[in-house]
This record gives sequence, structure tokens and C-alpha cells, in this order.
Amino acid sequence: EVHLVESGGGLVQPGGSLRLSCAASGFTFSTYEMNWVRQAAGKGLEWVSYIFSGTNTINYADSVKGRFTISRDNAKNSLFLQMNSLRAEDTAVYYCVRGSGFDYWGQGTLVTVSS
Amino acid sequence: DIVMTQTPLSSPVTLGQPASISCRSSQSLVHSDGNTYLSWLQQRPGQPPRLLIYKISDRFSGVPDRFSGSGAGTDFTLKISRVEAEDVGIYYCMQATQFPRTFGQGTKLEIK
Repeated sequence: EVHLVESGGGLVQPGGSLRLSCAASGFTFSTYEMNWVRQAAGKGLEWVSYIFSGTNTINYADSVKGRFTISRDNAKNSLFLQMNSLRAEDTAVYYCVRGSGFDYWGQGTLVTVSS
Repeated sequence: DIVMTQTPLSSPVTLGQPASISCRSSQSLVHSDGNTYLSWLQQRPGQPPRLLIYKISDRFSGVPDRFSGSGAGTDFTLKISRVEAEDVGIYYCMQATQFPRTFGQGTKLEIK
């Protein structure tokens, strides 16, 4: 069974940094593209970033470009999102999502940016 | 960026009756590989989103057959043949044809 478990969320001050992790299991992680998607409280879904299975193709939403970095460790079945220069508008639940088909979602981890 | 527009934004439905949600994209979702990467997601209250339909009309594993998708090009529809209580939630269309991936605003399905 596919499992995606996010961690690393929390409260951080504006301008601060946070690193999210996603532990994957139940499938061959190294063969799947992965995404981060976020959702502010009471709002819709916003795609954040994408990484190809081999890390050679990466994409970001304009809203996070230059501040967020996606990466993966296929040996450890893990996906990461390094978030720097955080802003209040980055406050959201962040989901780890499998594949270009967005077929499996984690439960999410809450990031709160506030002073 | 491709803009995804859903209608209606709210849909009160009687149990056992059909429901329909429309999604229109600002440009064609046909990929250069010939596929159309239009999906429908369901988000029940307090839960993460769940994939229902991908590539316009393919039902994902475990999704009841009362859910169906149709459409082509820029106009797409999700239909629920007979709404059940567990179908309450917010439905999103999304496109994965082009970066950035984009979602519709969401349609809230509620029981009358």
C-alpha cells in the first residue's frame, strides 16, 4: 500500500527557513515523479513544485521560485522541500503528492509563518 | 498559465439524485503526446484530496462507478449518477498538461 508521510512543518517567523520531508513507502519511489502542493486554510489547492524521478527536471510555481528548493533521495525513499525567506502567505498545509497523475497524497504538514 | 474555471462553485443535491460539475480550461489540455491530462479530485472535510478521475475519464482504483468524467479540449464534466452522503466535500479539476500545474477553484457539494 502506498504511503506518503510529511513532516517538518511548524511555526516560523517571516524571513525564516523550514525543511519539509516526505517519507514514501509501498512503491518504487525512484521511478516516480513527485510534487508538493499546498492549501491555505479554507482555500483551494496550489501546486508548488515538481521533481522528475531522476532529479534532472525540476519546476516551481512563480510564487516560490528562488525561495524554495525541491530535492529527493531515492536511496532513502524521501522527498524534501527547503523553504527559505518564508512569508505570511506561505502559511498552508503542504502535501506530498505522487506522480504526474497526482494519484496519492500524504496527510499534509502545517506550516505557519507568523511573528 | 492555464486557468481552470469550475461551475458551479456550490451544488446542493438531494441524496440519490445526479450531480454535475463543469470545468473549463483557458487553453487546450491536449498534450504533445496526444493525451489530455485533466483530472478530478475529491476532498472530504478534514481530509487530503483524493484522485477520482484522470485523463478525462479514467476512474482511479477503488473509485465507485457512479463517478464519471467526460469532455475534450477545453471543456470537461464530472458526473455523479446518484449522490450518496459520503460524496459531500469539495471537488477540484486540475490540469497536468503544462507547467505550472493548475487547479480549479473547487466546487462544494452538499446535501439539500
